[in-house]
Amino acid sequence: DAGVTQSPTHLIKTRGQQVTLRCSPKSGHDTVSWYQQALGQGPQFIFQYYEEEERQRGNFPDRFSGHQFPNYSSELNVNALLLGDSALYLCASSLFGTGGYEQYFGPGTRLTVT
Amino acid sequence: AQKVTQAQTEISVVEKEDVTLDCVYETRDTTYYLFWYKQPPSGELVFLIRRNSFDEQNEISGRYSWNFQKSTSSFNFTITASQVVDSAVYFCALSEPHNNAGNMLTFGGGTRLMVKP
Repeated sequence: DAGVTQSPTHLIKTRGQQVTLRCSPKSGHDTVSWYQQALGQGPQFIFQYYEEEERQRGNFPDRFSGHQFPNYSSELNVNALLLGDSALYLCASSLFGTGGYEQYFGPGTRLTVT
Repeated sequence: AQKVTQAQTEISVVEKEDVTLDCVYETRDTTYYLFWYKQPPSGELVFLIRRNSFDEQNEISGRYSWNFQKSTSSFNFTITASQVVDSAVYFCALSEPHNNAGNMLTFGGGTRLMVKP
């Protein structure tokens, strides 16, 4: 049973560029969430997708956008990259709903903006 | 607004010592869920436990135990007879379910546990 997978593992971009990160959820899960984890801090919620729609959003600017595909996989896009966007980006999958379902995390994508 | 505080930034113990990681949360909801995750050096967050706000029963899983006290808004995690493999960053997280919305997690800042041989 494959867990959550993310690609790429590492990425180096220049300020002002755009980046796309990808995530495939754990088998049986229909919901994908994205988190940003700066060095030495806890993960911060970016947004959550279910049924190809954004269902919840954290305190992140519109430069951060996402998409969910019919097979439940998801992409995170960040435009006009800033140095402060350098972080570990974590994808998590779960079942959707108010049942407090646990989220399972992927290994993350380490983004460095220079 | 929901908030999770892990006051201990870093803890260092010697192998076989017991260690408790503290977690204090804030929420206005009566229904909520609490979680603990482990993040080893590899970076992947590993789910350890989920607890709902209506179940204050303590839980034990091997060397791990959790103490949930609504009266003090705390959900502490104890490792008994710590081992070097327990070295990692541990995160406490809170989820408040909302209608037609999902289950976003609010994380604390994490506690780095170092277990020395």
